[in-house]
Amino acid sequence: NAGVTQTPKFQVLKTGQSMTLQCAQDMNHNSMYWYRQDPGMGLRLIYYSASEGTTDKGEVPNGYNVSRLNKREFSLRLESAAPSQTSVYFCASSEIRGGDTQYFGPGTRLTVL
Amino acid sequence: TQLLEQSPQFLSIQEGENLTVYCNSSSVFSSLQWYRQEPGEGPVLLVTVVTGGEVKKLKRLTFQFGDARKDSSLHITAAQPGDTGLYLCAGESGGSYIPTFGRGTSLIVHP
Repeated sequence: NAGVTQTPKFQVLKTGQSMTLQCAQDMNHNSMYWYRQDPGMGLRLIYYSASEGTTDKGEVPNGYNVSRLNKREFSLRLESAAPSQTSVYFCASSEIRGGDTQYFGPGTRLTVL
Repeated sequence: TQLLEQSPQFLSIQEGENLTVYCNSSSVFSSLQWYRQEPGEGPVLLVTVVTGGEVKKLKRLTFQFGDARKDSSLHITAAQPGDTGLYLCAGESGGSYIPTFGRGTSLIVHP
């Protein structure tokens, strides 16, 4: 079982470039989440998908878009990257809801110059 | 405003010492979870507490959920270098699908 996988693991972008972070889970979970983690800030929710076909904003959605491609895959897109988006991005999934155990991917370390 | 406040933010101790980490809120949580995150990896669940006053033990780790389900603590007995990491509490409040995380306690245990 791979659990939650994320690609890429590392990425450097220039300001204004775009990119998509990919996430996939093989646990047949309904809910998927995108977080960013910055020093001293813990994990902040960007977007989540409670079920296939639905997406909702979290705490810090500005500058991001998401797609729940199917039950397995949930992608995060930065249309025009900014230095403030330099962070570590984690994808997670849970069986049904936020209070269930969340399983996290290994993270994507993004630097925007 | 952070819904879940963790303290202390940083903790540096010697092997063999005991420590307690706190997670507090003014909101009631239907469940609360503790995760540990090691450098370069994603968080991994340690425990979930659901019932007010509940105490759970995981080897040298003791977790307690407050009677009013607004706070929780994690106590580590005889800390070891392998306990080093970031400890995060997370909870679900008000039937929301949105999980809330505290900012974490960074623990370093020196040999």
